[in-house]
Amino acid sequence: EVQLVESGGGLVQPGGSLRLSCAASGFTFSSYDMHWVRQATGKGLEWVSAIGTAGDTYYPGSVKGRFTISRENAKNSLYLQMNSLRAGDTAVYYCARTSRMITFGGVIVYYFDYWGQGTLVTVSS
Amino acid sequence: SSELTQDPAVSVALGQTVRITCQGDSLRSYYASWYQQKPGQAPVLVIYGKNNRPSGIPDRFSGSSSGNTASLTITGAQAEDEADYYCNSRDSSGNHPWGVFGGGTKLTVL
Repeated sequence: EVQLVESGGGLVQPGGSLRLSCAASGFTFSSYDMHWVRQATGKGLEWVSAIGTAGDTYYPGSVKGRFTISRENAKNSLYLQMNSLRAGDTAVYYCARTSRMITFGGVIVYYFDYWGQGTLVTVSS
Repeated sequence: SSELTQDPAVSVALGQTVRITCQGDSLRSYYASWYQQKPGQAPVLVIYGKNNRPSGIPDRFSGSSSGNTASLTITGAQAEDEADYYCNSRDSSGNHPWGVFGGGTKLTVL
């Protein structure tokens, strides 16, 4: 059974740092792209970062330069280092796995097939 | 504002059919995936690709696409389908195939 378990959330002051972890089990972790997706209370989902199987990383503009995603395949673990935190970063942070398929037309389809239960990050003084 | 636009709220009578839509330029070229999220829970994948359902998702859920609009249809909505639904697809930069979510649609089953 695929499991993703996040940890490391908590209360941090504006400008502070926090490191989130995600422990993966039930699948070959090194073979999958992994992501962090966040959700502020009462708001929608926002993709935060991605890391490919080769260690390539991707970020949206809202967090680029402040957040760093990394993985440690030997420990089946995903991380998110968050620096220069702002009130607007307050959210539940989910760890998620993407899988991909290729359609008959040759289009690659990506989808988030497993999610963790999330860890709450609160940025407040 | 999101690059994928969804109606904030939709309602359906128990047992009837409802369509939830997602609009965006990227959908002209790329498929959307759809996620169901109930209060206090993590999102769950319900549809991906042209019209693929993960194991365990009831066949009353289906997906379709036309032009810049992707749709999630629930045929014979059940009380347990009441939830928020989000679409996801490639962002406008084209560099992130999973880069943008719609704002979400709150489905109420009457």
